[in-house]
Amino acid sequence: QVQLVESGGGVVQPGRSLRLSCAASGFTFSNYAMHWVRQAPGKGLEWVALILDDGSNKFYADSVKGRFTISRDNSQNTLYLQMNSLRAEDTAIYYCARDQTGDGGLDVWGQGTTVTVSS
Amino acid sequence: QSVLTQPPSASGTPGQRVTISCSGSSSNIGSNTVNWFQQLPGTAPKLLIYTNNQRPSGVPDRFSGSKSGTSASLAISGLQSEDEAAYHCAAWDDSLDGPVFGGGTKLTVL
Repeated sequence: QVQLVESGGGVVQPGRSLRLSCAASGFTFSNYAMHWVRQAPGKGLEWVALILDDGSNKFYADSVKGRFTISRDNSQNTLYLQMNSLRAEDTAIYYCARDQTGDGGLDVWGQGTTVTVSS
Repeated sequence: QSVLTQPPSASGTPGQRVTISCSGSSSNIGSNTVNWFQQLPGTAPKLLIYTNNQRPSGVPDRFSGSKSGTSASLAISGLQSEDEAAYHCAAWDDSLDGPVFGGGTKLTVL
């Protein structure tokens, strides 16, 4: 079945790095733009980053620009989020999601992976 | 502070009709389509409405969406206890080259 499974979350000190992965299955991964969306504890959803289907273009929220890098390996059906210079305010559940419509119609979501930035 | 504005809470009794509003600006709702997501407690969001008023396969027709100008709304008719969840609106924002979300509305079925 169509599925996204995130991994790589954990507890990390401020200023350190972490890399999240999102393994896709059940669909042709290379046909879809993919997003990372996060949700801080008790808060709403916040878009983090977008990568187009062929990886040619990437877009970021201002809050993570210059610190986070989105990438993908279509041969391995995997999406990544490299997070550097982590801050306490990056603490959240991170979800990867498939863009069905090309304008944010995120129709498949992973279960999420939790990132906690704390000393 | 979320870019789109939603009421933090809403409530209704079983069988009632409730609406949830979502307000934006010319760079997002005013020029792009709106999507709605349902998030049951402790779970990932689920696409509920896309392109203003389209329902993905499996979403009951009790759920409907509409858009006018820089605002949108989600209507739920025949409210059921399993509808108790958080509802998030979202729209593409031309100035960000990405989607923006509302803060979410927690719906309570009394």
